[in-house]
Amino acid sequence: DTGVSQNPRHKITKRGQNVTFRCDPISEHNRLYWYRQTLGQGPEFLTYFQNEAQLEKSRLLSDRFSAERPKGSFSTLEIQRTEQGDSAMYLCASSLGTGFDTDTQYFGPGTRLTVL
Amino acid sequence: QKEVEQDPGPLSVPEGAIVSLNCTYSNSAFQYFMWYRQYSRKGPELLMYTYSSGNKEDGRFTAQVDKSSKYISLFIRDSQPSDSATYLCAMSGNTGGFKTIFGAGTRLFVKA
Repeated sequence: DTGVSQNPRHKITKRGQNVTFRCDPISEHNRLYWYRQTLGQGPEFLTYFQNEAQLEKSRLLSDRFSAERPKGSFSTLEIQRTEQGDSAMYLCASSLGTGFDTDTQYFGPGTRLTVL
Repeated sequence: QKEVEQDPGPLSVPEGAIVSLNCTYSNSAFQYFMWYRQYSRKGPELLMYTYSSGNKEDGRFTAQVDKSSKYISLFIRDSQPSDSATYLCAMSGNTGGFKTIFGAGTRLFVKA
C-alpha cells in the first residue's frame, strides 16, 4: 500500500471558480478526514466519514464546501465560488476506524490551493 | 482561548542537543495524545501516540502526558539536522466524535 494519496497536489484558480479535490485513503481504512491548514497553523478539522456516512462537519465548512465519499472508498471535497480566504493546504487523512475510539490517522501529502 | 496551545517557536538547537517540545490543553475530555512531524510542504507524519497519562519511548523520542496538569511533552534525544521540521501536537477523545484538535506547531531547527 502506498499510503494516502491526494490529487491534484497544487491548484491555482481564480476567485469565483469551483474546484474539486480527490483523496484516496489507505485501502481497508473506514474513516476518512478532511482538514485545512494555513501557514503557521496546525490542521483544522473540516469533516470526517465513517465508510460512506458523513458523521461530523465543522462550522468552518460553509455551504460553499461539500464533501462526499461514495461507496466508502475515495472522497472528494468541492469548494464552490472560491474566495481568496480559501487559499490553504487541504489535507486528507484516513484511519482503520473499526472501533468506538479514536485511532491513528495517516495523512496524505495535501492539495495546495491558491485563489487569485 | 484555543483548546490546544503550542509555542510556534522557532526553536534552534545545536546537533546532539536534547529538545523539549510542549503543549497545553483545556479540554479534560481529551484521552488520546499524538505528536506529528511535518516537513515543509508535506503532510503530517505520526511520530508518537499515547493513551491517557504516562510516558512512551520510541528510539530517540519520548512522549509524556500529564493529564492532571493538562500538559504534554515530546523529548528528542541526540537531535539531528534531519529532525528539523515542524512538530504538531494533537489530541482527541470523548468529545462526542472523532475530531482531532491540533496545536499550531513548533518549528525546530537543528544546526549541524
